[in-house]
Amino acid sequence: RKEVEQDPGPFNVPEGATVAFNCTYSNSASQSFFWYRQDCRKEPKLLMSVYSSGNEDGRFTAQLNRASQYISLLIRDSKLSDSATYLCAVRDYKLSFGAGTTVTVRA
Amino acid sequence: DADVTQTPRNRITKTGKRIMLECSQTKGHDRMYWYRQDPGLGLRLIYYSFDVKDINKGEISDGYSVSRQAQAKFSLSLESAIPNQTALYFCATSDGSGKGVGETQYFGPGTRLLVL
Repeated sequence: RKEVEQDPGPFNVPEGATVAFNCTYSNSASQSFFWYRQDCRKEPKLLMSVYSSGNEDGRFTAQLNRASQYISLLIRDSKLSDSATYLCAVRDYKLSFGAGTTVTVRA
Repeated sequence: DADVTQTPRNRITKTGKRIMLECSQTKGHDRMYWYRQDPGLGLRLIYYSFDVKDINKGEISDGYSVSRQAQAKFSLSLESAIPNQTALYFCATSDGSGKGVGETQYFGPGTRLLVL
């Protein structure tokens, strides 16, 4: 079983829609959780950290469910510029990345 | 100027050749990492270094070696390149502060390597 698994998508949504997707992790001792954004094979960039209580950054909301060992990302009011691959990352002694979920927002 | 730079950005080489990928950073971070990315497999850690005298193998270190020449420089070598090392390679840095939820990693722009 992979340490971090994501639904690869793609999620094709119209502008203005809400899209949400999850990431599951296998190591219950994982301590830190992140969402990174990657555009078209460019470098990943941190989108947001995921806190135990959940957190929101503008149109983006991240949640952590330790009991079921997954994190989620929700994007509200999708913009064309949100089209990207979203990588989840989970940290114990190292950062383990999922393969990414591709989101395409269409006009 | 970019905080994390990688050279070369693209490289085509032949099986059996030795090549070196270089990474430099101006962020003043102690920790540096090398990853490779393959379609459907995500980012996989090759080597990491928490300071100049500390080098550690990641999950896929076979066929690779590294050198931490200075705090700001971390090089990845393929001693004898093979076609399945064709991938996108990223260098990353972090400050090791481990504050709160952990440390953010900052990635270089990547090196596209094709081994024929």
